Amino acid sequence: DVKVTQSSRYLVKRTGEKVFLECVQDMDHENMFWYRQDPGLGLRLIYFSYDVKMKEKGDIPEGYSVSREKKERFSLILESASTNQTSMYLCASSFLINRGTAKNIQYFGAGTRLSVL
Amino acid sequence: KQEVTQIPAALSVPEGENLVLNCSFTDSAIYNLQWFRQDPGKGLTSLLLIQSSQREQTSGRLNASLDKSSGRSTLYIAASQPGDSATYLCAVYGAGKSTFGDGTTLTVKP
Repeated sequence: DVKVTQSSRYLVKRTGEKVFLECVQDMDHENMFWYRQDPGLGLRLIYFSYDVKMKEKGDIPEGYSVSREKKERFSLILESASTNQTSMYLCASSFLINRGTAKNIQYFGAGTRLSVL
Repeated sequence: KQEVTQIPAALSVPEGENLVLNCSFTDSAIYNLQWFRQDPGKGLTSLLLIQSSQREQTSGRLNASLDKSSGRSTLYIAASQPGDSATYLCAVYGAGKSTFGDGTTLTVKP
């Protein structure tokens, strides 16, 4: 079974703190994704990566950065957390068939609920 | 820009009923469509994936159909159970990105 593991289920941080959200997958997937999910706004893509050290901006990259130093690990970084970044963060991974596309099933982690006070 | 709409936003049915959830999308140039289930406070669990060349997929009591030309997909749940209570999301995959609907929250009453 595919496993996508997010390092924390719940996090509470203060405004201005630097926050790292970690995601690890064990299926040798090329693609990895970070989403945030908010009531009334659905899932929105923050960043995705189709290879080590490669990253692409999603729909709402502002205030976030990412790191993909190893194929299995994709980190989301909030350089200076703000209250409007309080949200549920979901990581996903999938195989890559053609560069730049995501044609296969996405597998999701359990999510990290981040509260910024 | 692709837009995905799921109607209704919430649905409540008695146990044992068959039901249909709807998903519509505006751009028919998709590679595939995926249905997910999400329990409160949890991540997404993949239920069914339909490739753009397929018309339906079945898994147990679930059947998903796809009509690409009309921009519609349905998820049919047979003989619903209280354990089916969850939010169901559909996602469409096009070139380079995926777009999610807001979901339908299903409650199955015992």
